[in-house]
Amino acid sequence: RKEVEQDPGPFNVPEGATVAFNCTYSNSASQSFFWYRQDCRKEPKLLMSVYSSGNEDGRFTAQLNRASQYISLLIRDSKLSDSATYLCVVNNAGNMLTFGGGTRLMVKP
Amino acid sequence: DTAVSQTPKYLVTQMGNDKSIKCEQNLGHDTMYWYKQDSKKFLKIMFSYNNKELIINETVPNRFSPKSPDKAHLNLHINSLELGDSAVYFCASSQGLAGGGYEQFFGPGTRLTVL
Repeated sequence: RKEVEQDPGPFNVPEGATVAFNCTYSNSASQSFFWYRQDCRKEPKLLMSVYSSGNEDGRFTAQLNRASQYISLLIRDSKLSDSATYLCVVNNAGNMLTFGGGTRLMVKP
Repeated sequence: DTAVSQTPKYLVTQMGNDKSIKCEQNLGHDTMYWYKQDSKKFLKIMFSYNNKELIINETVPNRFSPKSPDKAHLNLHINSLELGDSAVYFCASSQGLAGGGYEQFFGPGTRLTVL
């Protein structure tokens, strides 16, 4: 089992749609969780940290389920500019971040 | 003002050559990293330095040698390049160690092609 696993997609959705991604992680001792966004041929950038109680930032909502070891990202009212690859990132072992393979989102007009 | 910069942006070279990639951050961060992103887009940690000291070396061949002359710089030297080294190499930095949940800021990447 991969340390951090994501559905690679692509998820093709129309503008205005709501879309959700899940990510599972294998190490129950993981402490920090993030969603990063990576545009084509660009560097990853932090989208949001994921807190135990769940957190929201505008149209984006992140949830953490420690019991089932998964993290989710919900995007409401999708915009064309949301098209990107979304990377699930987990602090798996001490001072190392482990990145999932990413989920590709394509928002169409 | 670029926070994390890398040079060169593109590097095309022959097998067997030696090359270096430079990284600089002007964020005042203590921790810097090198990542490799292969053709399947998986981003994997190679090295991590904290205050110029190596703290993570993730089973990277010893042809790869990082050097941190000061906290703001982390360079990557690669000897005897192989076809499998072709990838995008990202430098990153963070205020503290990854275990503390700090955001990592990435450079624009260096696309290395070995012919």
